[in-house]
Amino acid sequence: DTGVSQNPRHKITKRGQNVTFRCDPISEHNRLYWYRQTLGQGPEFLTYFQNEAQLEKSRLLSDRFSAERPKGSFSTLEIQRTEQGDSAMYLCASSKWTGDYLRDKTQYFGPGTRLLVL
Amino acid sequence: DAKTTQPPSMDCAEGRAANLPCNHSTISGNEYVYWYRQIHSQGPQYIIHGLKNNETNEMASLIITEDRKSSTLILPHATLRDTAVYYCIVSDSNYQLIWGAGTKLIIKP
Repeated sequence: DTGVSQNPRHKITKRGQNVTFRCDPISEHNRLYWYRQTLGQGPEFLTYFQNEAQLEKSRLLSDRFSAERPKGSFSTLEIQRTEQGDSAMYLCASSKWTGDYLRDKTQYFGPGTRLLVL
Repeated sequence: DAKTTQPPSMDCAEGRAANLPCNHSTISGNEYVYWYRQIHSQGPQYIIHGLKNNETNEMASLIITEDRKSSTLILPHATLRDTAVYYCIVSDSNYQLIWGAGTKLIIKP
């Protein structure tokens, strides 16, 4: 399977604990995105990388959240001191960006990591 | 805020064509229209995208009006497995996808 993969698929943690999620994008894709989705809503953009550079962060990404993509391949999203409001599905997507804004920018999504903070 | 408007829910009979409308009246000339769907508890699945011309693939057809202010996603022969939330998305000025709440499509036997 050459799609986007995410691990773990489910995570239950206690409030105040730290959690880390991993995303492996499609191999030739240079852009990687993180989204958060709560029940009944569409995905909300959190941040994205082009290769190893983090180019944009949403104001939703508080200082308890940090994302890395150290070698321009897989990425991790860490949440420190989790709160019950962090309970959500965390989605990762990847795309191939050529620099030509007229080319399509289709993002392909992984299955998500569902986080429950007790 | 999302740049698209979709009905919150629709029903369609199994075997019939499902036509899902989307309004994107503020779309600019270089912005694509993307359609994704999300089956319960799974990640969004890419369906189709287009710029100006109508598009068709193995999953669906996309009809974009000449003024590009609206589009329709057509699932030609809906099956029960097509029950999902369907998102119509236009990128923002930074080429990011801004998602709305989508249309919950229910296929009925």
